[in-house]
Amino acid sequence: TQLLEQSPQFLSIQEGENLTVYCNSSSVFSSLQWYRQEPGEGPVLLVTVVTGGEVKKLKRLTFQFGDARKDSSLHITAAQTGDTGLYLCAGLSSGGSYIPTFGRGTSLIVHP
Amino acid sequence: DTGVSQDPRHKITKRGQNVTFRCDPISEHNRLYWYRQTLGQGPEFLTYFQNEAQLEKSRLLSDRFSAERPKGSFSTLEIQRTEQGDSAMYLCASSQQWNTEAFFGQGTRLTVV
Repeated sequence: TQLLEQSPQFLSIQEGENLTVYCNSSSVFSSLQWYRQEPGEGPVLLVTVVTGGEVKKLKRLTFQFGDARKDSSLHITAAQTGDTGLYLCAGLSSGGSYIPTFGRGTSLIVHP
Repeated sequence: DTGVSQDPRHKITKRGQNVTFRCDPISEHNRLYWYRQTLGQGPEFLTYFQNEAQLEKSRLLSDRFSAERPKGSFSTLEIQRTEQGDSAMYLCASSQQWNTEAFFGQGTRLTVV
């Protein structure tokens, strides 16, 4: 079983602050995804990164895939209260099954 | 089509009872996944279907759990002789073959008392 470690597990910040969340593994993935999940809801896909070293931006969110395709980071600039939620990374292995394997998540609370 | 639909949203059952959950995927999606999520954890993979074929099952899926997708459309997940440790959110997701984008339903919250 491939293990994805996310850090930090919890993050509580003030509106306007910047933050970075990390996702690390000893395994290589064909691609890596980031999801956001709100309480009582299913995860919603934010981005998929495929190429080692790839950087994708989604408004105030910047996602990076490590050169070796084992790790990834999510950076949020000027956090807003609406960013509050559980951020999950999920790795997908090669072979065509495309089964996302999730980390434990980072629970983010942004205070007004 | 408004996305992946799961029913019921919440289920409370007594230990030892059987429960069945239903998932209706996005209509053109031929892949369907079941996950279980407990508090403070990420979703854990249980099983997945491509059309009606169940192609992979996690070791987490004990013999009390069974999933079906008889016509390649909706799927059911049955838990027999429920235990308190089965209390969790059960999530269903669907995707198109060769597409890595999975869409999740809102989940079924199971509480075993």
